[in-house]
Amino acid sequence: NAGVTQTPKFRVLKTGQSMTLLCAQDMNHEYMYWYRQDPGMGLRLIHYSVGEGTTAKGEVPDGYNVSRLKKQNFLLGLESAAPSQTSVYFCASEEGTDTQYFGPGTRLTVL
Amino acid sequence: GQQVMQIPQYQHVQEGEDFTTYCNSSTTLSNIQWYKQRPGGHPVFLIQLVKSGEVKKQKRLTFQFGEAKKNSSLHITATQTTDVGTYFCAGDDYKLSFGAGTTVTVRA
Repeated sequence: NAGVTQTPKFRVLKTGQSMTLLCAQDMNHEYMYWYRQDPGMGLRLIHYSVGEGTTAKGEVPDGYNVSRLKKQNFLLGLESAAPSQTSVYFCASEEGTDTQYFGPGTRLTVL
Repeated sequence: GQQVMQIPQYQHVQEGEDFTTYCNSSTTLSNIQWYKQRPGGHPVFLIQLVKSGEVKKQKRLTFQFGEAKKNSSLHITATQTTDVGTYFCAGDDYKLSFGAGTTVTVRA
């Protein structure tokens, strides 16, 4: 099992550009999450999903959209990137026991 | 809303010494989890505490859940260079909320 994978690992965008981050898990987990991690602020929840076809807002959802068309995939979209979205993005999945399994992260820089 | 606070934010430890990091919640938690993130890595689950007053050990790491289920601690004995990283607690009320983490550096 690959666990949780994230694509891409690194990305540099210009302000106003759009992009999609892909998260995939092969553990058949129902729950999936997108976090951003900034220095001194820990992990902040952006959006999450409790199952295929469902999404919900987390703590910091503005400027992001998500989709969960397939159970194994959770996509995070930035429609018009801003420098404030420079961060490390982590995806996580959970089987319902509260233990979350994290992907390796995507380092995004917005110039 | 639910808030989880961790102290200290940074912990500089001499190799071989002990230290403790603390986690406090503004609300009563159903459970608390601890994660470790190595530099440049991703958070990795360490342990989950569920019962009031629960204490669990993993080798040199001792985790405790408070009696009121609003606080937790992680105590590391005889710190080693392999303990370097950021330790996060995550409290579960109606959803998981992460603290800001304690970043540990070790002086050899």
